[in-house]
This record gives sequence, C-alpha cells and structure tokens, in this order.
Amino acid sequence: NAGVTQTPKFRILKIGQSMTLQCAQDMNHNYMYWYRQDPGMGLKLIYYSVGAGITDKGEVPNGYNVSRSTTEDFPLRLELAAPSQTSVYFCASRDYGRSEQYFGPGTRLTVT
Amino acid sequence: AQKITQTQPGMFVQEKEAVTLDCTYDTSDQSYGLFWYKQPSSGEMIFLIYQGSYDEQNATEGRYSLNFQKARKSANLVISASQLGDSAMYFCAMRENPSQGGSEKLVFGKGTKLTVNP
Repeated sequence: NAGVTQTPKFRILKIGQSMTLQCAQDMNHNYMYWYRQDPGMGLKLIYYSVGAGITDKGEVPNGYNVSRSTTEDFPLRLELAAPSQTSVYFCASRDYGRSEQYFGPGTRLTVT
Repeated sequence: AQKITQTQPGMFVQEKEAVTLDCTYDTSDQSYGLFWYKQPSSGEMIFLIYQGSYDEQNATEGRYSLNFQKARKSANLVISASQLGDSAMYFCAMRENPSQGGSEKLVFGKGTKLTVNP
C-alpha cells in the first residue's frame, strides 16, 4: 500500500490565484481529513469527510473547499489565495473502528 | 483555554537513556482519546501511540509508553532506550467523544522538540 499520498510537495502561489491540493489513500478508509500546520504550531483541522459525498467543516475552514466523490480521493481547493494561507498542509485518513489517523507527507504552500 | 498543553518546548536526552515528554489536557467529556505523533525533520507525521480514556492499562508500543494519569489529566509519553533517530518534534493530541461518533477533530499541542545526544 502507498498509504496516504499528496501532490504537489511544494507550491508557490501569487495572491489571488487558486489551486487544488490532491490527496489520495489506498487503504479503503472511510474518514479523511485536511489539516494545516503553521510554523511552530500543532495541526489545525480544516475539513473532514466521513465517507464519499459527506464533508464537514473543521476548526479553520474559511478560504477552502473540499469534495469527496470517491472513497480514495479528498482534494482541497484554495480559492483566491492569501498570504495567511502560507502553511504546510497535511491530509490524513482513518479506518472505521480505529482511532489513529495516518498522515500523508504534506504539501508546503507559500503565497506571496 | 488550551485543550492540550505541552510545557517543554525542547528536551535533551543522552542516547540509550529514557525520556518523558509531558502533556496535559483539558476536557469535560468522560470519553476521549489521547495520541502521540512524531514529526521528524523530513516533515511527515508518524502515529506512535493511543490511549482511550476508559482503558485501564497504560498503552505501550515497543519503546513507547503512555503514562496516563486521568485524575491529573496528564498523558505523558515515555521513550525508553533513546536512539539518535528519535530526535524529532513530538505532538500530543486529543479527540473528544470518539465512542459517540462525536467530534472528528484532533486537537494538537504545540509540540516538544526532542534532541538525542550521542
């Protein structure tokens, strides 16, 4: 299993541009998550999904959108990028009945 | 109020010695879960250990053990026989109401940077 994969690894955006961060998992996990990690801080939840077609907001959802059309994929869309969205973004997944979340390698995003 | 507090920004330990990383938490729920994750300099988040609030025994996973003191609301991570590869950031996290299908949110502390000296 590849586990949780994320693309791209790095990206630089100009203010006002849009992009989609890709996340995929091959473990057939129902639950998927997007977090952001700002320098010197722990992770904060942006959005999550409990299954295909179901998504919900986390702690810091403003400026982001998600969709979950399949079990495997959970893309995160940034519209009108702002410098405050400069961060490292992690995707994670969890199996039903298990507690631990497994994380992807992260995407480092800089907005200038 | 902070839900997860890690009071040690940095810790140093000699190789082969044991080290304890502190974590205190704040919740009014009876059912919750506590986690520790490791983040090496390469950046990935690696799950280490989990403790449920109703688990009577302290969780152990190889060289990692979780010293769970419910009355004190503490969930310290103990790493035995430290190795150079243990040098990393360590994050404590909590999920509330897991058994009731409640919050999906993992709340993270700010982390402790562990350096293992040869």
